[in-house]
Amino acid sequence: DTGVSQNPRHKITKRGQNVTFRCDPISEHNRLYWYRQTLGQGPEFLTYFQNEAQLEKSRLLSDRFSAERPKGSFSTLEIQRTEQGDSAMYLCASSLQGRNSPLHFGNGTRLTVT
Amino acid sequence: AQKVTQAQTEISVVEKEDVTLDCVYETRDTTYYLFWYKQPPSGELVFLIRRNSFDEQNEISGRYSWNFQKSTSSFNFTITASQVVDSAVYFCALSEYVEGAQKLVFGQGTRLTINP
Repeated sequence: DTGVSQNPRHKITKRGQNVTFRCDPISEHNRLYWYRQTLGQGPEFLTYFQNEAQLEKSRLLSDRFSAERPKGSFSTLEIQRTEQGDSAMYLCASSLQGRNSPLHFGNGTRLTVT
Repeated sequence: AQKVTQAQTEISVVEKEDVTLDCVYETRDTTYYLFWYKQPPSGELVFLIRRNSFDEQNEISGRYSWNFQKSTSSFNFTITASQVVDSAVYFCALSEYVEGAQKLVFGQGTRLTINP
């Protein structure tokens, strides 16, 4: 059973550095989501792709953040000039098309900015 | 705006006890979906149940049961005869549809600890 896969699992970086995370969704899912979860909180929506098109971005996604999904398969989330406030768990999820399709989440990438 | 409140931050019970996790939501939508997810220490959010706003029937799946009451905007989750493996953080979530995206609005979660 191939679920949603995220790499790396953990990333420690120094403030000011750029980082990139990768998400491989479930193969037949055409929708892909990025969420961010800080300690003690529930996940918060960041952005969403339908196939290769990025259709929605949260106000949480500052201009230092960019997400891509070339060819509608895997997705990358890049954070430029990281800040300590970026430290969080970054979760990727995918789903089938349809209003009642549940999101299937990956294990997340935990980012620590020192 | 959509909002989900899980008032219980942490719950600790002894194995085999029954435990109920509360969830209260706010929405102006007439059609919406509610979800429960489990997050074990590994970090992955595991989907447990989805309920649409037109279906108020309670649901039971093994030791898990859910009580949806539209009149009180609540969607509570009960674990019967709890086990140590049930220890996790549980999130209630409400769906919001924008540009075709199913955006989930999560509560803050309830950390459940089952002690042997």
